[in-house]
This record gives sequence, C-alpha cells and structure tokens, in this order.
Amino acid sequence: QKEVEQDPGPLSVPEGAIVSLNCTYSNSAFQYFMWYRQYSRKGPELLMYTYSSGNKEDGRFTAQVDKSSKYISLFIRDSQPSDSATYLCAMSAPPGSYIPTFGRGTSLIVHP
Amino acid sequence: DTEVTQTPKHLVMGMTNKKSLKCEQHMGHRAMYWYKQKAKKPPELMFVYSYEKLSINESVPSRFSPECPNSSLLNLHLHALQPEDSALYLCASSPGTGFHNEQFFGPGTRLTVL
Repeated sequence: QKEVEQDPGPLSVPEGAIVSLNCTYSNSAFQYFMWYRQYSRKGPELLMYTYSSGNKEDGRFTAQVDKSSKYISLFIRDSQPSDSATYLCAMSAPPGSYIPTFGRGTSLIVHP
Repeated sequence: DTEVTQTPKHLVMGMTNKKSLKCEQHMGHRAMYWYKQKAKKPPELMFVYSYEKLSINESVPSRFSPECPNSSLLNLHLHALQPEDSALYLCASSPGTGFHNEQFFGPGTRLTVL
C-alpha cells in the first residue's frame, strides 16, 4: 500500500460544478498537508496548505483534513474551464520529516 | 518577489554534452530542492540543500551534480546523460525544514536527451 493514495482520474465535470478531490494516507505522523495545481508542462503551483485537522478556505477553494480517517479533500466551488489541470496532494511530518510525500495527482477537466 | 525562476525553459542535449540548469529565489527561503518529473507522475526528489549545505541526495547518478553557490541560487550540472533522463526538472524552495516546509516550485526545465 502506498503512503498516499490519490485517484488519477480523469474527473470530468461541467462548468459551475462543485469539485471534490481527495487523498487518503496511511502514515499517522503526517500533519502538514498541501494541495498543488499543475497545468500541463508547467511546474506545480501551491494552492493551499494546512496544519493538522480542520478546514481552510481561500476564495473558491476549501481544504479539509480529517486525521481520524486519514483523509484530505480539496473542494472547488463554481468550477471554471481554467481549473482544468492536475491536482496533487502532498503531506509531510514535520519537524523531523519535512520532505513531502506526493500523491500521483488527479486530472480534472472542466468543460464549458 | 514570491516566485522561483528557472532557466532555461527548454534544453536539448546530446549524451556527450555538458550543460547546467539554474534556479533562483528571492523569498529568503533556506531550503532548496531539485525534483525530476516524468509525464503523469508526481515529482521525484533528487537533492535537498538546507542552509546552502547538501542535506539529501536520493541516490542520484553522478551524471547529475548539484551546486548551491549562495542562499538564492541552485544549479544542476548535467554530464553524459542518457535518453531516459529526459524529463521536466523542477526546482523548489521552502521557508525552512521545520514546520513551515511548504514548497514553492519553479516552472521547470524541460530536458530532452538525444
């Protein structure tokens, strides 16, 4: 079993839909969680990061962490075609283990 | 300045060439990273510099040689590469190596080895 599991998709949704992207993990030491967006042939862009459990909101994006279930989510409201990209989750166990472990990424397609 | 820059954007080289990739950040970050990314795969860690010292080398072949001239610059020297080394090479930086370790990535250098 991989440390971080993420469905590669593709996930295809109509414009305006609410998108839910998820990762599960097995290492209970993970406590720093990040979401990246990567457009084709570009570098990953840090969208959000959260420490420990709870929700964090930034504009149309909400990151949610449920440590008891070892499950994290990224919600995108009012999705736009420009949101079409690969979304990578990443997590680490600071302070001792600061190198993030990445999920394999979920490809999202938002069609007009 | 909140970005990581990388040059060149694209690089094509033969197996006998020597080339270098460059990375720069002016966010005051104290950790810098090199990653390799193949299509439809997550980034794969190669090297980590923490406070300008090499702290992690993920058993990368010696044909890849990193260098950190100062806290803002990171180079990756390439020599005698193989076609399977063709990939997107990403540089990243993070504020530190403790709790605030969120990484900021550059746009990458797309390398093709002929």
